[in-house]
Amino acid sequence: DIQMTQSPSSLSASVGDRVAITCRASQGIRNDLAWYQQKPGKAPKRLIYAASSLHSGVPSRFSGSGSGTEFTLTISSLQSEDFATYYCLQHNSYPRTFGQGTKVEIK
Amino acid sequence: EVHLVESGGGLVQPGGSLRLSCAASGFTFSTSWMTWVRQAPGKGLEWVANINQDGSEKYFVDSVEGRFTISRDNAKNSLYLQMNSLRAEDTAVYYCAKESGLRNFEFWGQGTLVTVSS
Repeated sequence: DIQMTQSPSSLSASVGDRVAITCRASQGIRNDLAWYQQKPGKAPKRLIYAASSLHSGVPSRFSGSGSGTEFTLTISSLQSEDFATYYCLQHNSYPRTFGQGTKVEIK
Repeated sequence: EVHLVESGGGLVQPGGSLRLSCAASGFTFSTSWMTWVRQAPGKGLEWVANINQDGSEKYFVDSVEGRFTISRDNAKNSLYLQMNSLRAEDTAVYYCAKESGLRNFEFWGQGTLVTVSS
């Protein structure tokens, strides 16, 4: 199985901060990676697909980069509505696997 | 607009069975891979199973292989997850999701809670 290691597991930040979350795959997954945002009690929502493509309707402050084994989700200027938990997903091979999540909290 | 609505969750005893349903609308269901993902209380996301457009290909996470089956009815725009021999560790919110052409999970339902407890 491909292990997805996300870091950090949590972070505290202020509105306006630049935030970066990393996901490392235990083996190469090309760009078969997506990022999701989940708020408490709600279903996840896709933010980024193919490592760097923005899902329709997602604000441009979200961006993704990387290929192979290392990937980054960046929020250029954190907004109040961005406080949530973020997950990466690899869909290169079975079983599909998620990172353990990164909780973004208000500082 | 894509709309996915799960149903069928509830409380079941260990060893029991439950069948989840997912009603789909707003897209051509018969041309999409579909997936089930679960989330145990306070935990992260775990992919469970998926199925191709005509039901001829199915994949499962090891922990449910042989206990869960996935199926679909394209005439009813519906996806199913039959869960047998349920264990306490199967307790989770179960989400259905539409896969994109690139095979990630494009749109999600709101989820249905399954609780396995005596």
